[in-house]
Amino acid sequence: EAGVAQSPRYKIIEKRQSVAFWCNPISGHATLYWYQQILGQGPKLLIQFQNNGVVDDSQLPKDRFSAERLKGVDSTLKIQPAKLEDSAVYLCASSPRGTGANVLTFGAGSRLTVL
Amino acid sequence: GNSVTQMEGPVTLSEEAFLTINCTYTATGYPSLFWYVQYPGEGLQLLLKATKADDKGSNKGFEATYRKETTSFHLEKGSVQVSDSAVYFCALREIQGAQKLVFGQGTRLTINP
Repeated sequence: EAGVAQSPRYKIIEKRQSVAFWCNPISGHATLYWYQQILGQGPKLLIQFQNNGVVDDSQLPKDRFSAERLKGVDSTLKIQPAKLEDSAVYLCASSPRGTGANVLTFGAGSRLTVL
Repeated sequence: GNSVTQMEGPVTLSEEAFLTINCTYTATGYPSLFWYVQYPGEGLQLLLKATKADDKGSNKGFEATYRKETTSFHLEKGSVQVSDSAVYFCALREIQGAQKLVFGQGTRLTINP
């Protein structure tokens, strides 16, 4: 099966600019996650969708970050305006319902550098 | 809150050496536990998992046992290869609320020939 697709793979912007990342999960996976991985740290969950509804966004900096999942499939994560500390790899993951819900499949990530 | 603590890296070993990467957790109840691996230039991949106390997860020669007494899930391999060089992440799946996956900080492993 095709994996989780993310784009762009790399993005360099200046602070206060905006950026958007796109994710296409594995077909049929109901749950979609966006994680932020800062260099030298483990991934941190930003937002979790179940179909097109938000399940958890408690660690999403809502003053600058937004995310949506249209029609319960693709998702977009936006940062506006970006800060230096937003430099990180943004990981998208998905998981199915039922017994497989425990296992997340990750995309390769989108590396953001804010100058 | 729930958290995962991993042994600090980086870890450098020679090929065929024995590997242990320590992982301990703090959590409400008995969460599922995981090891994920990130090879250079690739995304995170599930390496192994355990869903209840005393379960042993295994894959590709790696093993980890869910120890509720010591709240640990240490990763071990008897004989490492150069191809095992990667960053290893221990994680738990919360049993409450959104049941999110919480990661440790990662341990970079380098195997020299």
